[in-house]
Amino acid sequence: IQMTQSPSPLSASVGDRVRITCRASESVRSSLNWYQHKPGKAPKLLIYSATTLQDGVPSRFSGSGSGTDFTLSITDLHPEDSATYYCQQSYNTPRTFGQGTKVEI
Amino acid sequence: QVQLQESGPGLVKPSQTLSLTCSVSGDSISSGRYYWSWIRQPAGKGLEWIGRFYSSGGTNYSPSLESRVTISVDTSKNQFALNLTSVTAADTAVYYCAREGRGGTLWWHFDLWGRGTLVTVSS
Repeated sequence: IQMTQSPSPLSASVGDRVRITCRASESVRSSLNWYQHKPGKAPKLLIYSATTLQDGVPSRFSGSGSGTDFTLSITDLHPEDSATYYCQQSYNTPRTFGQGTKVEI
Repeated sequence: QVQLQESGPGLVKPSQTLSLTCSVSGDSISSGRYYWSWIRQPAGKGLEWIGRFYSSGGTNYSPSLESRVTISVDTSKNQFALNLTSVTAADTAVYYCAREGRGGTLWWHFDLWGRGTLVTVSS
C-alpha cells in the first residue's frame, strides 16, 4: 500500500493551525498512525488508529479520517513542533510510510 | 521503563553483510504481546520498514529486501538481530529497531523506538 503525504515542505508561524494530509492507495480502514521525527532522535508516536492521541502527546495534535484519506492537525503551533511528520499504515505488511512532511516554523 | 538500543558496526564494506543487534530492557521479547521490527532511513529520505519477528517464531520481510534479510532472536539475551547481505551504498542509512503494539485497539502501531544507529557502506 502506497502512502502519499502533502504538502511538503510546510512553512508556518508560531500560533498557526496546520494540516497535513495522507492518502493511501487503497483502503486501510482506521489503521493509520502519525509520527513526529526530529534529527538525531527516535521517531515519536503521536496518533494511532487514525484518531487516538498517544499518552503524553499535547492535545493540540489531532487526527481524523478513515479509508484512504487522513489528516493530522496541529493547532497553536509551537516552536518545538518543527519536525518531519510521517503517516504509516498498519493494515497489512509490508508496513509503509508516507514520504514525510517537513514543518518549518 | 522499556528501552530499545541498537548496536553494531558503523562501517561495512560493499558486498559484505550488515549485522545489527537490538537489546530490549524492561520487557520480554517473548511475551507475545508485540511485534519487533527493523526500520531504516537513508540520508535525506523517508522511513522504510525492513521486517519483523513475532514471539511464535515467525517473520515478515519487505518484498524489496526479502532476498537479503534475516531477522533472528536470542531470547536468552532478550535481543533480536538484523542481517542484511550483499550490501551496497544504497544500504547506507540510520537503522532503528522498534516495538509494535496494539494498545488495546484493533490496529498496530510503533509505540517504542530505539535511538537509531548509522551504518555506512563504503570501502
